Amino acid sequence: GESVGLHLPTLSVQEGDNSIINCAYSNSASDYFIWYKQESGKGPQFIIDIRSNMDKRQGQRVTVLLNKTVKHLSLQIAATQPGDSAVYFCAENSGGSNYKLTFGKGTLLTVNP
Amino acid sequence: EPEVTQTPSHQVTQMGQEVILRCVPISNHLYFYWYRQILGQKVEFLVSFYNNEISEKSEIFDDQFSVERPDGSNFTLKIRSTKLEDSAMYFCASKSRGYNEQFFGPGTRLTVL
Repeated sequence: GESVGLHLPTLSVQEGDNSIINCAYSNSASDYFIWYKQESGKGPQFIIDIRSNMDKRQGQRVTVLLNKTVKHLSLQIAATQPGDSAVYFCAENSGGSNYKLTFGKGTLLTVNP
Repeated sequence: EPEVTQTPSHQVTQMGQEVILRCVPISNHLYFYWYRQILGQKVEFLVSFYNNEISEKSEIFDDQFSVERPDGSNFTLKIRSTKLEDSAMYFCASKSRGYNEQFFGPGTRLTVL
């Protein structure tokens, strides 16, 4: 069935280090993937997305990698800052016209100054 | 920058009571969604709404739930007879045609006593 999961529930890094957050998905029909950031008491905030016809996409300080062979998605954050501390969710769209999202469990990223 | 807004931020109700959660999506968006997040768990899809009708709903969205777009700006979620297990954060999201990104509101925390 459809499922999106995360390898690491928590990640603690030092300020300035690079962070890598991983996600596994099982629905091979998914054609669109998104990373969301959720700060305490707030709604999910879009970070970056990637279509299934790509394997890498870069944004400002963030990079998403997609490995369809092993159904793996990762988010890389360069030069992590205290403001990056949040829960990060991967989400997938399985290709339906309604664009509903299936979310993973989330990884708590803590950046130590 | 346009954003999705939700009211109230926190709703406390007695079991069996009806609640209406309100959302104002981004004005030119055409796709609307409700998701919920039980404390400590992942965000779950409830329902999608397009062209004045439900386009897809999850198994969570049973007969106790309904959605409505009563005017050109509001999008509501009604729970007819709340249960303890309905306690969660409820997020509204909206999306424009031609773009995949869903924009989330800040959420309403529903507490059922």
